Amino acid sequence: DTAVSQTPKYLVTQMGNDKSIKCEQNLGHDTMYWYKQDSKKFLKIMFSYNNKELIINETVPNRFSPKSPDKAHLNLHINSLELGDSAVYFCASRRSGLNTEAFFGQGTRLTVV
Amino acid sequence: GQQLNQSPQSMFIQEGEDVSMNCTSSSIFNTWLWYKQDPGEGPVLLIALYKAGELTSNGRLTAQFGITRKDSFLNISASIPSDVGIYFCAGQLTGNQFYFGTGTSLTVIP
Repeated sequence: DTAVSQTPKYLVTQMGNDKSIKCEQNLGHDTMYWYKQDSKKFLKIMFSYNNKELIINETVPNRFSPKSPDKAHLNLHINSLELGDSAVYFCASRRSGLNTEAFFGQGTRLTVV
Repeated sequence: GQQLNQSPQSMFIQEGEDVSMNCTSSSIFNTWLWYKQDPGEGPVLLIALYKAGELTSNGRLTAQFGITRKDSFLNISASIPSDVGIYFCAGQLTGNQFYFGTGTSLTVIP
């Protein structure tokens, strides 16, 4: 049983296209995140949602628009893709509050050509 | 966002050796976590620390929550080839803010 699942695992697309990455968790968590991992492996938080509401937006370009239809899903839509958007994107979830851990999906490797 | 400084950046060790890595921050954290990432996979939680001074073990892994709440350490004893990967610390501030360290790449030579 996959706890945090992302689709697709790989995504290759041309500059200027619009694409979406989906994330679902079956852990009953109420907080979900999107992280971006660059070529140097640095994990940078992009967004955090709690109970479908945006909590954190770490100066991400507005071409990136997260959407949370319910507590178990957090999708990421990217408009007008640029070369610099190429990275691995990770979804994560946790139960809100202190003393809880985040669990990660397997990642989506996005390549913009 | 917050910057957690992790060191060393990379390590090359012989199988059987012990490994130590640490993470420091200018901010006080409520929770410290240690993750391992294998190639092509997402980070997997190794150890969670919730109280200043706490020392927790998970098999050959031992981690400590620094008394100042601004640092944490991870030790791996008697390393084996499957320990290869990238190790990340992560710290939680108040609320939902969760930030990662810069990572330590570990290579174990058989």
